[in-house]
Amino acid sequence: DMKVTQMPRYLIKRMGENVLLECGQDMSHETMYWYRQDPGLGLQLIYISYDVDSNSEGDIPKGYRVSRKKREHFSLILDSAKTNQTSVYFCASRDSGNTLYFGEGSRLIVV
Amino acid sequence: GEKVEQHESTLSVREGDSAVINCTYTDTASSYFPWYKQEAGKGLHFVIDIRSNVDRKQSQRLIVLLDKKAKRFSLHITATQPEDSAIYFCAAGFNNNRIFFGDGTQLVVKP
Repeated sequence: DMKVTQMPRYLIKRMGENVLLECGQDMSHETMYWYRQDPGLGLQLIYISYDVDSNSEGDIPKGYRVSRKKREHFSLILDSAKTNQTSVYFCASRDSGNTLYFGEGSRLIVV
Repeated sequence: GEKVEQHESTLSVREGDSAVINCTYTDTASSYFPWYKQEAGKGLHFVIDIRSNVDRKQSQRLIVLLDKKAKRFSLHITATQPEDSAIYFCAAGFNNNRIFFGDGTQLVVKP
């Protein structure tokens, strides 16, 4: 079953705390993405990963870093979370036909 | 870089009518134009795509048109049903794994 799984689905953190968002896929896709979605701003690309340890910045990488040590896992890390990082974060993987498969999202609130 | 604009932020139609969502793009190198659907509280889900070697593609009640000269593409949903209500995102991409999204169109199908 083709699936992208995100954990946790909901998270509340205090400003300055570290945040780890995890994403897994069972399709052996090489390319994976992290986006954030805010009202009125559509999807903003944070990072792309082309495979294990091969990551590139997207349009809004500041304040984020990523880790991909296994093809099926792609993590988004916020070191010292800020209130403006309150958002819904989506992970996606891409198949050979360019179709993206999205997770259900991780809703992060930073207070 | 590529910029994708969705012209309608909201669209309301009566059940059974057709809905049309229009998008434009800026980069003539873009060759792949997918559409995604997002239901409330969910991730995005691929619905249909078109590539630059054709100007029309149909899948059941969905029709995508591409006008490369005008750098414009559109999604037509015929015989709309209440379950078509969602946010629809157009996107454009090419061979570097980057896919650029529009800001989304909220489609409401009224019974």
